[in-house]
Amino acid sequence: DAGITQSPRHKVTETGTPVTLRCHQTENHRYMYWYRQDPGHGLRLIHYSYGVKDTDKGEVSDGYSVSRSKTEDFLLTLESATSSQTSVYFCAISDSAGGPDEQFFGPGTRLTVL
Amino acid sequence: QKEVEQNSGPLSVPEGAIASLNCTYSDRGSQSFFWYRQYSGKSPELIMFIYSNGDKEDGRFTAQLNKASQYVSLLIRDSQPSDSATYLCAVLTSGTYKYIFGTGTRLKVLA
Repeated sequence: DAGITQSPRHKVTETGTPVTLRCHQTENHRYMYWYRQDPGHGLRLIHYSYGVKDTDKGEVSDGYSVSRSKTEDFLLTLESATSSQTSVYFCAISDSAGGPDEQFFGPGTRLTVL
Repeated sequence: QKEVEQNSGPLSVPEGAIASLNCTYSDRGSQSFFWYRQYSGKSPELIMFIYSNGDKEDGRFTAQLNKASQYVSLLIRDSQPSDSATYLCAVLTSGTYKYIFGTGTRLKVLA
């Protein structure tokens, strides 16, 4: 299994509070991604990173920010959590000589915003 | 808006039969295509990837790609109850580092 961990694995929080999810990899992969998965919507890209300090938005980035200060860590922050951000969040990594290739996923974080 | 479409299912097949899962995509410039399997409550895991038109086989799995029709499929031969899962089609969009996923097809293999 690819060395990807996510923390926390489960979190319950209240509306309006800040939340940070962490993705940690030991594979030295260049590309890292944050997705959310909701019934009926599949996996949707929130933000991704193509190198240290290099990030870009995905299709559902509103309300989320990210940071990548070192290769192994990619943080996802919900500045002020809302109930619509209740979801399962997956981190993924990818790398190849020519750019991103197959992705490997972390175990996921289940976030509930009350 | 670039899209990937899959029939949500469930697709039910008897044990030992061939399961055929289909996916269409809108970005004509896409070059890389992936199939993931996801068991309930678990993270997606890669089954197959395909870059060229035609068939690619790996054990009981065959991926098929037709870029002219913008169509990708996954065949599972000798389906087993353990193949029961949701299968996600993913496309690496042209000129970006972004992947677009379909909503997945739920497969049920009946013993």
